[in-house]
Amino acid sequence: SAVISQKPSRDICQRGTSLTIQCQVDSQVTMMFWYRQQPGQSLTLIATANQGSEATYESGFVIDKFPISRPNLTFSTLTVSNMSPEDSSIYLCSVTEAEAFFGQGTRLTVV
Amino acid sequence: AQSVAQPEDQVNVAEGNPLTVKCTYSVSGNPYLFWYVQYPNRGLQFLLKYITGDNLVKGSYGFEAEFNKSQTSFHLKKPSALVSDSALYFCAVRERAGNNRKLIWGLGTSLAVNP
Repeated sequence: SAVISQKPSRDICQRGTSLTIQCQVDSQVTMMFWYRQQPGQSLTLIATANQGSEATYESGFVIDKFPISRPNLTFSTLTVSNMSPEDSSIYLCSVTEAEAFFGQGTRLTVV
Repeated sequence: AQSVAQPEDQVNVAEGNPLTVKCTYSVSGNPYLFWYVQYPNRGLQFLLKYITGDNLVKGSYGFEAEFNKSQTSFHLKKPSALVSDSALYFCAVRERAGNNRKLIWGLGTSLAVNP
């Protein structure tokens, strides 16, 4: 099983600013996934981060708003740019081997 | 369109009674099937999966799930519920073909086990 360290665990940010979330995996993985989850609700996939290529974004998410880096096979970052209160959510990174493993999440509040 | 349905937003059971959390899917081929649990203010945890073989799979914390190909269902079950099982449960599927590791998620079912 993969162990994923995600940080920060939570943050309160001013609107208009940006926050970068980091995700470190204890093994090399090809794909990393970034999700958004409103408390008590299901997961919405933001993008798939592949090492050595551009991230693949899901409908409704764009690179300018959620730029992703994937510099190597164990690390990825997601930036939430020009934040508004609507971006308040829990952000999760994940890797999938036989099954998916998740970081503990970043609880973001935009004020 | 590919989808996963969890028809019940909430399930309430008494402690000691059996529980079932339902999941049906509409995905081409024979997908991999998963259940995950999310306890309050905690991350998602893997419970169990169906890959192949016996239709009844056993997982963590005494949970099991039954795969039914004809009904395209993968219901989660436990013979005797505990109050500590109260959590949010997600069913997810993944296509078997190719290298696509993207999961399709149900909307989740909130399980409340009453003492």
